[in-house]
Amino acid sequence: QVQLVQSGAEVKKPGASVKVSCKASGYTFTGYYMHWVRQAPGQGLEWMGWINPNSGGTNYAQKFQGRVTMTRDTSISTAYMELSRLRSDDTAVYYCARAIYSGSYRGGMDVWGQGTTVTVSS
Amino acid sequence: DIQMTQSPSSLSASVGDRVTITCRASQSISSYLNWYQQKPGKAPKLLIYAASSLQSGVPSRFSGSGSGTDFTLTISSLQPEDFATYYCQQSYSTLGTFGQGTKLEIK
Repeated sequence: QVQLVQSGAEVKKPGASVKVSCKASGYTFTGYYMHWVRQAPGQGLEWMGWINPNSGGTNYAQKFQGRVTMTRDTSISTAYMELSRLRSDDTAVYYCARAIYSGSYRGGMDVWGQGTTVTVSS
Repeated sequence: DIQMTQSPSSLSASVGDRVTITCRASQSISSYLNWYQQKPGKAPKLLIYAASSLQSGVPSRFSGSGSGTDFTLTISSLQPEDFATYYCQQSYSTLGTFGQGTKLEIK
């Protein structure tokens, strides 16, 4: 079955970086864009960006420009999201989510990872 | 960036009620509007994509409509499992944005 499995919870100090992985299975990894979405405690969903696993092309929300890097390793069907210069307000659950249409960032996100909790605390 | 505004922010309703949630975009997004349901501690679930297409496996009591800037999600007859938070999201722009969410609670 199609699924996304994310890496485990992380605790980081302010100023550090975190790298979250998202391993895809059950479909052609390079055929579907991957989005990253986060949710701070008690807050709504916040779109962070996407990566085209085929080309490696990326697009980031302006809020995260300069701090976020999305990459992929097609040999192991895994996408990564790295966020640097962490602050306390980066504490959130981070999700990867597959775009529904093959070869396009458009359309909804039909398959979601289980979420990775990142806690930023001194 | 395109801003998405949902209303209401919260809503109390009873089992069997018909419920409508609205979402407005700050500029035209054609039909590139998606709806998600999220329950506490769980990942969001896609309900509707392209404004009115029902995602596979989603009950037919959920429906979506609209185009341009104004969209609605309708639940025709609320079931106990429908009490959750609902989000709209636009995928017209390369920069995707979500609405702030609508929390649907039991009256």
